[in-house]
Order: sequence, then C-alpha cells, then structure tokens
Amino acid sequence: QLQLQESGPGLVKPSETLSLTCTVSGGSISSSSYYWGWIRQPPGKGLEWIGSIYYSGSTYYNPSLKSRVTISVDTSKNQFSLKLSSVTAADTAVYYCARDRLYDYVLGDYWGQGTLVTVSS
Amino acid sequence: EIVLTQSPGTLSLSPGERATLSCRASQSVSSSYLAWYQQKPGQAPRLLIYGASSRATGIPDRFSGSGSGTDFTLTISRLEPEDFAVYYCQQYGSSPMYSFGQGTKLEIK
Repeated sequence: QLQLQESGPGLVKPSETLSLTCTVSGGSISSSSYYWGWIRQPPGKGLEWIGSIYYSGSTYYNPSLKSRVTISVDTSKNQFSLKLSSVTAADTAVYYCARDRLYDYVLGDYWGQGTLVTVSS
Repeated sequence: EIVLTQSPGTLSLSPGERATLSCRASQSVSSSYLAWYQQKPGQAPRLLIYGASSRATGIPDRFSGSGSGTDFTLTISRLEPEDFAVYYCQQYGSSPMYSFGQGTKLEIK
C-alpha cells in the first residue's frame, strides 16, 4: 500500500523559507506514470494546489505561487521536497503531499496525512 | 483561469436521504478533467470520482458523478452516517493546472 508522509518544521518565521519533505513508501517515486504534488489548506478554508514534479525533475507550478516555490526530487531517497520563500502569515496552512495522476487529470489518489505549518515570529 | 463554484455551501440532510451537490465552472471543462473529493475533519482529502463519473478504487456505488460542459453533479443516493463531510470538486486546466471549488459541507440535519 502506497504511503506518503510529510515532515518539516511546524513553525516558520515571516520572510523566511518554508521547507518540507514528503517520503514515499510502498512504491517507487520513479514510476513513469505519476507526478508528485504539494497542496495546501489554510485553517478552515479550501484546497490550493502548489505544484507537482516528475521523477526526472520536470516541474509545473501554480502561477500564483511560482515566484516563491521550488519543488525538487531525490529518487535515491524516494522523497520530494517543497521550498516556499518569503513566507507571510497567509502561508499558514496544512501542507499535503499527494500522488499526481497527470495521465487522467487527478491531482491526488494517495495523500499524506498533512502537516500544519504556522508562520509567526 | 477557470473558476469552480460549488453549491450549496452547506447541505443539511438526514441519513438515508439523497444528496445532490453541484459544481459549476466559469468556462467549459472537459468531462475527463473533473474530479470529486471527500474530506473529513482532521483528515486528508479522499478521491471519490474522476473523469466526472468514474468511481475511484474502493468507493461505494452510492456515490455517483455526472455532468458535462460547465455543470457537474455529485450524487450520494442514500446517505450513511460516515458520508457527512466536506466535498470538493477539482478541475485540470491550463493555468493553474489544477484548481478546486470552495467546497460543500454536508451536515446531519
């Protein structure tokens, strides 16, 4: 059974960079069929796609966040990572990683449990 | 940018009743590009429907999706207690690649 697990600091200071890692187990991140994505959800609000990456390193990002986002992949560790720079309180959210089935336009058929990141001094 | 608008915002029904949730797109969306998710408090979203009408693996047949163009519907034929949750529609488009509706909360009446 495929599992995804987010990890990283739960508290980030304003203007700093948020960094999270998603570890994939029970399957290979190097599968040719899938991308791997990040999605966030501010407390009490809806879902926002951040971006996705292929095992080769090919990425695509939400234009609203593109200038601040970097997603990378480490196939040797079966992990992919998110960096979001210059954070503000508006970036406080639960951050999810998910398997992106781009081939049939489904963002997440498997999801991590999510991790709350709070931006505060 | 395609905007998805879900209605109603909150739907109050009793177990055993039929639920009809709407997702309207600001521009025509290919049926292949429309999915539905269920989210319970403190949990990650769960894929229910993709391609507008195909059930995801393990999803009970009381869940069904339909629609085309700009109007899509998620129907739950007979509500079970575990179905009360928030439901989101999601579309794949050109920019951004993925976007969600604002959600419909299905609550027990």
